Amino acid sequence: DIQMTQSPSTLSASVGDRVTITCRANQSISTWLAWYQQKPGKAPKVLIYKASTLEGGVPPRFSGSGSGTEFTLTISSLQPGDFATYYCQQYDSYPLTFGGGTKVEIK
Amino acid sequence: QLQLQESGPGLVKPSETVSLTCAVSGGSISSGRYYWGWIRQTPGKGLEWIGSIYYSGSTYYNPSLKSRVTISADTSKNEFSLKLTSVTAADTAVYYCSRMKTTVTPIFSWGQGTLVTVSS
Repeated sequence: DIQMTQSPSTLSASVGDRVTITCRANQSISTWLAWYQQKPGKAPKVLIYKASTLEGGVPPRFSGSGSGTEFTLTISSLQPGDFATYYCQQYDSYPLTFGGGTKVEIK
Repeated sequence: QLQLQESGPGLVKPSETVSLTCAVSGGSISSGRYYWGWIRQTPGKGLEWIGSIYYSGSTYYNPSLKSRVTISADTSKNEFSLKLTSVTAADTAVYYCSRMKTTVTPIFSWGQGTLVTVSS
């Protein structure tokens, strides 16, 4: 299985801050990476797929980059609705695997 | 609009089998365009893909759970199901059903999730 490691596990930030979350794979996954946002009591929602393609309806303050084994999710200016937990997921090979999550908290 | 609705017992005893069903509306599981799957979320292990099924009956399971998992589909009811045997406390999780375009893909469509607690 491909192991996905996210950092940090928790991030404290303020509205308007630029936030960056990192996801690393233990082997190359090209750009077969998705980012999800999850709010309490809800299912995860795709924000970005193929490492940098924004899902329809997702605000452009979200962006993704990277390839191979290292990827980042950036929120350019944190908004109140962005306080949530974020996960990366590889879909290069089966079984699908997820990172451990990054909780973005209010500072 | 696609809707996925999980159902099943909220509480299961250790060593028993848990059976969950996902009712699909707004789309047909026999259309041949998608795969239908299960993912679970635990406090300890986070998000874990369990497996998926194609309308033809082909199944794909996470090797870590394969010996205990069966996913099946009932096209007449437009629903698919998950059976997990010999459950332990480690199987306590929120179980989500999902629709996927292939076996290796982002998961764009999720059910709301159902909590299964394993406890005596």
